Amino acid sequence: DAGITQSPRHKVTETGTPVTLRCHQTENHRYMYWYRQDPGHGLRLIHYSYGVKDTDKGEVSDGYSVSRSKTEDFLLTLESATSSQTSVYFCAISEKRDVYNSPLHFGNGTRLTVT
Amino acid sequence: KQEVTQIPAALSVPEGENLVLNCSFTDSAIYNLQWFRQDPGKGLTSLLLIQSSQREQTSGRLNASLDKSSGRSTLYIAASQPGDSATYLCAARPTGAGSYQLTFGKGTKLSVIP
Repeated sequence: DAGITQSPRHKVTETGTPVTLRCHQTENHRYMYWYRQDPGHGLRLIHYSYGVKDTDKGEVSDGYSVSRSKTEDFLLTLESATSSQTSVYFCAISEKRDVYNSPLHFGNGTRLTVT
Repeated sequence: KQEVTQIPAALSVPEGENLVLNCSFTDSAIYNLQWFRQDPGKGLTSLLLIQSSQREQTSGRLNASLDKSSGRSTLYIAASQPGDSATYLCAARPTGAGSYQLTFGKGTKLSVIP
């Protein structure tokens, strides 16, 4: 157990509303990631963080923003939710200093439905 | 752009059988290849990570191999059990720019029949 908690676990929201998903880790890992998982696309990286206030874009970052004001929390915000953002969102961490050869550990996901 | 393919998409085997799951990738410039397991409604669980300099890794009944030159990795599961039923995903981590971004396959859904 890598000590990753995602909240909420499920959320239904309306098109155009802002939504924030939270990832909390208890083991002081430096690297954190947000992925989305969709049928037919697999897992795709949205944003990642390599330290407090240090973030960068992934493959599918349009429509999303992130913030990391504390080591333990990585927030993903959908500024104005669209139906195409209906998905399962996973947070992940890299457990070692050597991020390039460190396994990823995932949270249990947030299922987001945008109506 | 790296592409990772897992064939077949689904596999059903009787309990006790040894089996091999396949993963192929198009770009051999990788740091490592990781195998994950995903149970329904859950996140991914890391099973094995093979660094580019390694040929294989073992954990219990699982053995993963890597052949960078041919762009292939296999996950061997010995003496399969119903509890092994899950979706298995592989992911390649590229070298160079974009190395933070793993490319995932779409997974093989394994069913082990008692």
